[in-house]
Parts: sequence; structure tokens; C-alpha cells
Amino acid sequence: KAGVTQTPRYLIKTRGQQVTLSCSPISGHRSVSWYQQTPGQGLQFLFEYFSETQRNKGNFPGRFSGRQFSNSRSEMNVSTLELGDSALYLCASSLYPGQSPGELFFGEGSRLTVL
Amino acid sequence: TQLLEQSPQFLSIQEGENLTVYCNSSSVFSSLQWYRQEPGEGPVLLVTVVTGGEVKKLKRLTFQFGDARKDSSLHITAAQTGDTGLYLCAGVIRDYKLSFGAGTTVTVRA
Repeated sequence: KAGVTQTPRYLIKTRGQQVTLSCSPISGHRSVSWYQQTPGQGLQFLFEYFSETQRNKGNFPGRFSGRQFSNSRSEMNVSTLELGDSALYLCASSLYPGQSPGELFFGEGSRLTVL
Repeated sequence: TQLLEQSPQFLSIQEGENLTVYCNSSSVFSSLQWYRQEPGEGPVLLVTVVTGGEVKKLKRLTFQFGDARKDSSLHITAAQTGDTGLYLCAGVIRDYKLSFGAGTTVTVRA
């Protein structure tokens, strides 16, 4: 079956702009999580969605937001971009949230560069 | 501050050698996972351990969960160039939220 699809794969923005990233989970998966990956920091949890509801949120400023649609596809938005937002943004899907220990299936990520 | 500390941060070895990567925390985890991430790809789950003292083997990879469920190790025997990648540990404490370590970059030279 098709894996997790993230678009765009690469993008370059300038400070102050905003960006929207998209994630299509594996068919049948209803939970989508977003992570920010930077060198030396590993994966930092942004938020998790299930059935169009945000279930968990990490410690990121309000400039980072997301949503999930009825078909489980998810988008995340970053407004007023800062240089420090440059990172690989990873989306992961799973069947259900709170499935411990559940397996996360990751997309290839969207690499954002802020100039 | 990372909830999970991984060491070493970087590891470069010759093909055929053994290596061990560590994942430590002061917190107790209900379960712990290891992922491997190759350049340009997302992380892929290798194993999940849930019981203190548990040892799991995956071909040349051996995973151990500490008795107190606060630490874990990944040992690779006779490393191959295909083992090159970023190894990430991730633990579940509460709310089923997965916390990741910063990772260990392993390079296996031919």
C-alpha cells in the first residue's frame, strides 16, 4: 500500500512569510503526528490529530498550527517564519492514537529553508 | 533538555566491527522503540520493547531494555555498510506521546 506522502519535499521561504505543509497518511490510518527535526535536537513533537481533533500538542509557539480533514489528510502551517524554523518537518501516521506501543509510519519529510 | 539522551552522537567504524548505541533517561518508559533513518528518508521502526530486561534480536541487531525501563541499548554485530544511518530511540511515558532522542549517526566504512 502507498506510504505517507508529504508535499512539498523542499521549499525555500524568507523571514516573515508563512508556509503550509501537507501530509496524506497511509490509507486507513486515522492518526497523524507532526515532528520537527533539526541536527542535534532530534525529533521534536509538534502535534497529533485524530478524527479532525488535535489530541496532543508539543511546546511550540502559536505560530505553528495544524489541522486534519475528514479524509485524515493533514496540513500544518507556520506563520511569520523565523530563521530557526529551518528544519525537516516529518509527518507520521498510525492506525489509532494512544496505541501503545504503536508504530509510526513516517513520510520522507518536507525540508524547509528560511532565508 | 532531551528526555532521552543518546550516546555517542556520532560513530564511525569499519565494516565487520561491532558497535553499541545507548539510550538513557531518568524517566521510566512504558515502552521504548528504536528507529533507523537513512538520508532523504523518514525514520523506520526497527523494534519495540516493553518489558524490563527484555532482549530482542533482529538478524545482527540486538536490542535490550533495561530492568528499570529507563534505558536501552542497540548492539550491531559485524556491521555492514547498509547499517549506515541515524539511529533514534523513542520512549512512551504518558499520554502515549512518543519522545525521541537526538539520535546517533552511524557510519560504516567499506
